[in-house]
Amino acid sequence: DQQVKQNSPSLSVQEGRISILNCDYTNSMFDYFLWYKKYPAEGPTFLISISSIKDKNEDGRFTVFLNKSAKHLSLHIVPSQPGDSAVYFCAASYYGGSQGNLIFGKGTKLSVKP
Amino acid sequence: KAGVTQTPRYLIKTRGQQVTLSCSPISGHRSVSWYQQTPGQGLQFLFEYFSETQRNKGNFPGRFSGRQFSNSRSEMNVSTLELGDSALYLCASGNEQGFTYEQYFGPGTRLTVT
Repeated sequence: DQQVKQNSPSLSVQEGRISILNCDYTNSMFDYFLWYKKYPAEGPTFLISISSIKDKNEDGRFTVFLNKSAKHLSLHIVPSQPGDSAVYFCAASYYGGSQGNLIFGKGTKLSVKP
Repeated sequence: KAGVTQTPRYLIKTRGQQVTLSCSPISGHRSVSWYQQTPGQGLQFLFEYFSETQRNKGNFPGRFSGRQFSNSRSEMNVSTLELGDSALYLCASGNEQGFTYEQYFGPGTRLTVT
C-alpha cells in the first residue's frame, strides 16, 4: 500500500509560469514532509521541507503548502526556469518512528519549456 | 563542507556473487540511511544506522545487511545477488536537530547484476 502518492507522473510548464506539483499521503502519523529534486545519474537534492505545525514554508522560488485535513501537500515553483526540469519526489516521515526512514512518492517529471 | 560520497559509482556483478558498497556521510552527521531505487518501485528504504546501531529496517530480505563504523562511515552488503537487485543504491546522511530532519543524498552506486 503506497503511503505517499504523486499521481501525476509528468508535468509540462512554460518558462516563467508557475509549476505546481502535488502529493497525497495516507498515514496520519506523518508529521514532516520534504521535497527532493533529482537529475538523471545523480542522487536526490533536498529542496524544502515543512513540519505539520505549519501550513506553508517558503524558500526563494519554492513554496510548499500543507493541508493536513486533506492529507495533501503541494510544491509551487515561481517562476519556473528550464533548469528546474527534473524529477521531483515528495517524501514523508514521522518523529518517534525514525526520521531516517523517509517514505517517498514515485516522483513527478517536470519539464520547463523555454 | 564535503557532501555524501559513495564508492564505487558503478559495479557489475554476476548472479550469486556478493557485493559491498561504501558511504561516507557529511562530516558531523551521525545517521546514515540506505535506499534502493528501481524504475518500478521508486525509492525504497533499506535501513538506517545511527551511532553504529541499526535503528530502523525496511522490508528487504536478510541478504541485504549493513553496518556503521565509529567514524559514521557505513557499508551495505548484498549476498547471493539476484537479477532483481540491479538498481541504484543511494546513501543519505542526516543531522537530527530537534523536530526537523533532512537527509542529504550521495550520488549513488549503480549496481548491475548479470
